[in-house]
Amino acid sequence: TQLLEQSPQFLSIQEGENLTVYCNSSSVFSSLQWYRQEPGEGPVLLVTVVTGGEVKKLKRLTFQFGDARKDSSLHITAAQPGDTGLYLCAGAHGNQFYFGTGTSLTVIP
Amino acid sequence: NAGVTQTPKFRILKIGQSMTLQCAQDMNHNYMYWYRQDPGMGLKLIYYSVGAGITDKGEVPNGYNVSRSTTEDFPLRLELAAPSQTSVYFCASSSDRAHYYGYTFGSGTRLTVV
Repeated sequence: TQLLEQSPQFLSIQEGENLTVYCNSSSVFSSLQWYRQEPGEGPVLLVTVVTGGEVKKLKRLTFQFGDARKDSSLHITAAQPGDTGLYLCAGAHGNQFYFGTGTSLTVIP
Repeated sequence: NAGVTQTPKFRILKIGQSMTLQCAQDMNHNYMYWYRQDPGMGLKLIYYSVGAGITDKGEVPNGYNVSRSTTEDFPLRLELAAPSQTSVYFCASSSDRAHYYGYTFGSGTRLTVV
């Protein structure tokens, strides 16, 4: 059972453009995390959101947790080639985290 | 640098062979996990451990075994390798506050079964 669906699955944009990635579920999560994974490496934690409606900013990245704690979004402003990678959301449900299917982002110089 | 170390980085197995994927962490984390990652499928939990001597099945445990004799080490054993086990395997660890601080992942083992 896939608890978390991410969209889009693939995204290719030009440097300087803005983008939004979505993470959706029918389940309620006690917290939600976003990770970025580069080729040949493991995922690296970017942020944790805990409260419904919470917004966190990390430089050009803005993360939002849905009011009902079932969904989240990641917005990147003025994307740069260094933002290229696989973005994964992970929701805490019970004593486990469930990972989304991932969004593969390519930023073209 | 502190973190999670996985060995080997790459491995090719023949059908029916066995192997052990090694994982070690030096952060004194109680919780350790094994995931497999297949294209377009995200990360699937194979086994996890909440402390030395305690292990439990995740979402996709069939064909795998684990042990946790020390806090630092959490090896994953593949018995009778099958093509369906071709994947990238990640080990991760966390404190008991993973909900806030997340997981620390190793760099992965790419396994091909032919």
